[in-house]
Amino acid sequence: AQSVTQPDIHITVSEGASLELRCNYSYGATPYLFWYVQSPGQGLQLLLKYFSGDTLVQGIKGFEAEFKRSQSSFNLRKPSVHWSDAAEYFCAVGDPNDMRFGAGTRLTVKP
Amino acid sequence: KAGVTQTPRYLIKTRGQQVTLSCSPISGHRSVSWYQQTPGQGLQFLFEYFSETQRNKGNFPGRFSGRQFSNSRSEMNVSTLELGDSALYLCASSLGSGLEKTLQYFGAGTRLSVL
Repeated sequence: AQSVTQPDIHITVSEGASLELRCNYSYGATPYLFWYVQSPGQGLQLLLKYFSGDTLVQGIKGFEAEFKRSQSSFNLRKPSVHWSDAAEYFCAVGDPNDMRFGAGTRLTVKP
Repeated sequence: KAGVTQTPRYLIKTRGQQVTLSCSPISGHRSVSWYQQTPGQGLQFLFEYFSETQRNKGNFPGRFSGRQFSNSRSEMNVSTLELGDSALYLCASSLGSGLEKTLQYFGAGTRLSVL
């Protein structure tokens, strides 16, 4: 069965510092991969997706993610974090019949 | 284009009652999925409707049910509420077929509190 693991429950970074959120997946074939962001009390907003092709994917708000098949990973990165990036981030893996979400990583941004 | 709309945003119910939540998908989207989000269990898939038919179902008891109307709007019903049903219920819509089915757009959710 497919699954998603986000090893870090909570990460704190300083404003302006770089960010990397980890995501590992287990899937039998090439998965469709997603990163979502959720602000408190809100729904999930899609940051970026990977279906196929270039393994470095650009998303909204300056985020990017890299698909590494050999490591079964799809880590999210941002070169310089802004205070407004504080939120919870979810990695998801799926196919048209089954979507699985990770447990989420809560990001705190220090001034 | 308007996003996914969920109503109401907040609900307070007591144990044993039933509740109905509503979701209006993005115009043109035919698939609506429902998720339950709790601090302990994270995001859990409830069910998905496409063209008024339940196409997929998660591992939830029969107290959780849903339906979809011809205009793609969907409702979710929970009967005989339990304290553990307190959660944020999220609705997501997508075009519903092929690769685009995985591209889901979420509403802001309905926060249900069961007392």
